[in-house]
Amino acid sequence: DSGVTQTPKHLITATGQRVTLRCSPRSGDLSVYWYQQSLDQGLQFLIQYYNGEERAKGNILERFSAQQFPDLHSELNLSSLELGDSALYFCASSKLAGDEQFFGPGTRLTVL
Amino acid sequence: AQKITQTQPGMFVQEKEAVTLDCTYDTSDPSYGLFWYKQPSSGEMIFLIYQGSYDQQNATEGRYSLNFQKARKSANLVISASQLGDSAMYFCAMREGNYGGSQGNLIFGKGTKLSVKP
Repeated sequence: DSGVTQTPKHLITATGQRVTLRCSPRSGDLSVYWYQQSLDQGLQFLIQYYNGEERAKGNILERFSAQQFPDLHSELNLSSLELGDSALYFCASSKLAGDEQFFGPGTRLTVL
Repeated sequence: AQKITQTQPGMFVQEKEAVTLDCTYDTSDPSYGLFWYKQPSSGEMIFLIYQGSYDQQNATEGRYSLNFQKARKSANLVISASQLGDSAMYFCAMREGNYGGSQGNLIFGKGTKLSVKP
């Protein structure tokens, strides 16, 4: 158990819908990262927050957004969902930006 | 642009033998970090080992060691005395940005699927 929690574990929804994925980092970790893992794209970095502020953006679509709250938990919002958004979404956390990252169990999103 | 290459899509190893998983990287930054993660069939990502670009010695963590050859830009993972539970996908990753800076996201390779035979 990495100490990072993610909910829900599985999510099945339809095209055009909007979903919210939630992540709680390990106690004391200030950095939160979101990654997407799909068969065709592999593991891709989406976005990073540090102590409530956005610090880096990767291949995150405009339909996707995220935030980190004062209690350091983070949410990833995915809207206007398409079939191609089906993937495993990981949240990871670290104390400082360069430390090893500990991953949550992931949320498996299926868009039908 | 930074890049990680894992050239072995799949590897087989006999139980109790050692195995080396290859990873090469490309970056123009003098400061970088290299990581290995294990992903079993259950899907979670498990941190294994870390090597900083300025570290003088190769990193070791139990049965895992990292063969870091800076001039060749390679960071191979060595697993000694393989166990059946080592069967999984293994990902090599590189950190973007300097340690302690504001950015720390990882770039991942495509992974190597390791199968341990009894």
